[in-house]
Amino acid sequence: GEDVEQSLFLSVREGDSSVINCTYTDSSSTYLYWYKQEPGAGLQLLTYIFSNMDMKQDQRLTVLLNKKDKHLSLRIADTQTGDSAIYFCAERFTGGGNKLTFGTGTQLKVEL
Amino acid sequence: NAGVTQTPKFRVLKTGQSMTLLCAQDMNHEYMYWYRQDPGMGLRLIHYSVGEGTTAKGEVPDGYNVSRLKKQNFLLGLESAAPSQTSVYFCASSYSIFGGGNYEQYFGPGTRLTVT
Repeated sequence: GEDVEQSLFLSVREGDSSVINCTYTDSSSTYLYWYKQEPGAGLQLLTYIFSNMDMKQDQRLTVLLNKKDKHLSLRIADTQTGDSAIYFCAERFTGGGNKLTFGTGTQLKVEL
Repeated sequence: NAGVTQTPKFRVLKTGQSMTLLCAQDMNHEYMYWYRQDPGMGLRLIHYSVGEGTTAKGEVPDGYNVSRLKKQNFLLGLESAAPSQTSVYFCASSYSIFGGGNYEQYFGPGTRLTVT
């Protein structure tokens, strides 16, 4: 499969903004996703962006997509301790099966 | 709705033993998936199914088998467990590509498997 890369760790102070970055490799991806995994739990969809969009905003979340550089980012405004989790980006391929390729995950730690 | 459930939550196996992980979904989803999660490697697709009675290989299928006898269930089998299969296993499900929407995959809570 294609490689989707993320940095492993990010630490921020409560109230600051967090920016989590992702680099993907398949230019034919139609949807790109951000999933959140809390400790001991499964993954939950946070937000997504369609490949013909550059930006999507959803309350505290802003997703930016740079198709030229194959770069995706997730900005969390006013980060709270409840945002501490692992964040995965994922890309959906146009082939059969609705398959996703996930990044390595970024562990976000929010400090008081 | 319970969503996606997985049984068991934890399991310890000895090398060479076999076991089956059960995934069930009550959302009438066509597609189902099995992933494994290892530190620093994200989630990797083991096998998936696009409908009852059909299965296909994912990225890391060796050492695993699957069956989808009923639409709501997807079983993952380990015939002869190896320490390299120590991992957290996640099941997911989604509507088909004809279901529209954002094709979100819904995940179960995971099964933590240790092979000694």
